[in-house]
Amino acid sequence: DGGITQSPKYLFRKEGQNVTLSCEQNLNHDAMYWYRQDPGQGLRLIYYSQIVNDFQKGDIAEGYSVSREKKESFPLTVTSAQKNPTAFYLCASAPRGTTGANVLTFGAGSRLTVL
Amino acid sequence: GQNIDQPTEMTATEGAIVQINCTYQTSGFNGLFWYQQHAGEAPTFLSYNVLDGLEEKGRFSSFLSRSKGYSYLLLKELQMKDSASYLCAVRVVMNTGFQKLVFGTGTRLLVSP
Repeated sequence: DGGITQSPKYLFRKEGQNVTLSCEQNLNHDAMYWYRQDPGQGLRLIYYSQIVNDFQKGDIAEGYSVSREKKESFPLTVTSAQKNPTAFYLCASAPRGTTGANVLTFGAGSRLTVL
Repeated sequence: GQNIDQPTEMTATEGAIVQINCTYQTSGFNGLFWYQQHAGEAPTFLSYNVLDGLEEKGRFSSFLSRSKGYSYLLLKELQMKDSASYLCAVRVVMNTGFQKLVFGTGTRLLVSP
């Protein structure tokens, strides 16, 4: 079955440590996204990539970095510069030229807790 | 700026009908989506509106008025499994031509027996 796999599902990190969240999709989608979800707030866009080897900052990119070396993979690194990293992170993908009812497909999410 | 408002929480009884409202002020509007999200899980797509009017899909219907910046999600014959958060999201087209989804904070629906 096609889909998006995020790992790990739960992650604990000490302050000052970088951590990388994995996102892999086998849907042959060109576009991939990282969102962050906090209690009482909507999903906020961190980074997005429309094509391999290209990515753009979203609304809250500070303290995060990404890479897009393969179409299937879009890992997110939460760096020590991110002041409040504890959150639920969602990866998503969509076909190229998202129009009509083409929608985002989400992964199951990764919950990061900073101790 | 982009702003999407929806109620924080609603309660309803099994078998009843509930309407979840969403108002938005955005630029570059290109469609409105409703997602369902159970706690700790990924959002799943429910409905999409780009033209004014009602879209019906089984027990769920969604309405859009672009001139009023208003949408609602109507859930009929409520079941316990419908207890979840319902996310309103607007697809906007940015200056670069890229399209992204802007999400509201979500409405948590609690269905009681």
